[in-house]
Amino acid sequence: DGGITQSPKYLFRKEGQNVTLSCEQNLNHDAMYWYRQDPGQGLRLIYYSQIVNDFQKGDIAEGYSVSREKKESFPLTVTSAQKNPTAFYLCASNPSSLRDSHNEQFFGPGTRLTVL
Amino acid sequence: SQQGEEDPQALSIQEGENATMNCSYKTSINNLQWYRQNSGRGLVHLILIRSNEREKHSGRLRVTLDTSKKSSSLLITASRAADTASYFCATDGRPNSGYSTLTFGKGTMLLVSP
Repeated sequence: DGGITQSPKYLFRKEGQNVTLSCEQNLNHDAMYWYRQDPGQGLRLIYYSQIVNDFQKGDIAEGYSVSREKKESFPLTVTSAQKNPTAFYLCASNPSSLRDSHNEQFFGPGTRLTVL
Repeated sequence: SQQGEEDPQALSIQEGENATMNCSYKTSINNLQWYRQNSGRGLVHLILIRSNEREKHSGRLRVTLDTSKKSSSLLITASRAADTASYFCATDGRPNSGYSTLTFGKGTMLLVSP
């Protein structure tokens, strides 16, 4: 089956700990994205990557880090510097990185992170 | 900042009725997309309308785009209980960038009662 997987579905961490959220896709898509969603809110872009070994900050990158060592994988680390990390995190991918490509984004099922 | 803003924030209707959701945005766009999210799940793409298109249909969905007013509407006809979800509009969020990113609105929560 082709698609995007995120693991785990639920994650609990103590305050002050770093935590890494997994995102894998087997769609052979170039672009990958991380979003944060708070209750009753839309999605806010954290980081995005258009190609392996390259990534760009989104609108709310502070306190987060990413890597893109493989085309299929785009893990997100929520560091202790992120003041309000409790949220629903969504990963997405897009066949093309170009703005004129008119492509939809494909989303994973999300990871709900709760920091205690 | 969020580019798209949906209206209304919440909508409650009976099965069989039509549901209309609106989206306004601020900057020029290449395309506007609508997504659906069931509670606690990822988003699912519904329909994409390009900036040079005015109306598009897909099954029970009808999307319009008015670039002069910077607004779009999503109409779901003959709604079903299974249409209950949140609906988001999204626009390509970085007009000066060659890269494809999306900026999402806060969404409209639709409740369809049997």
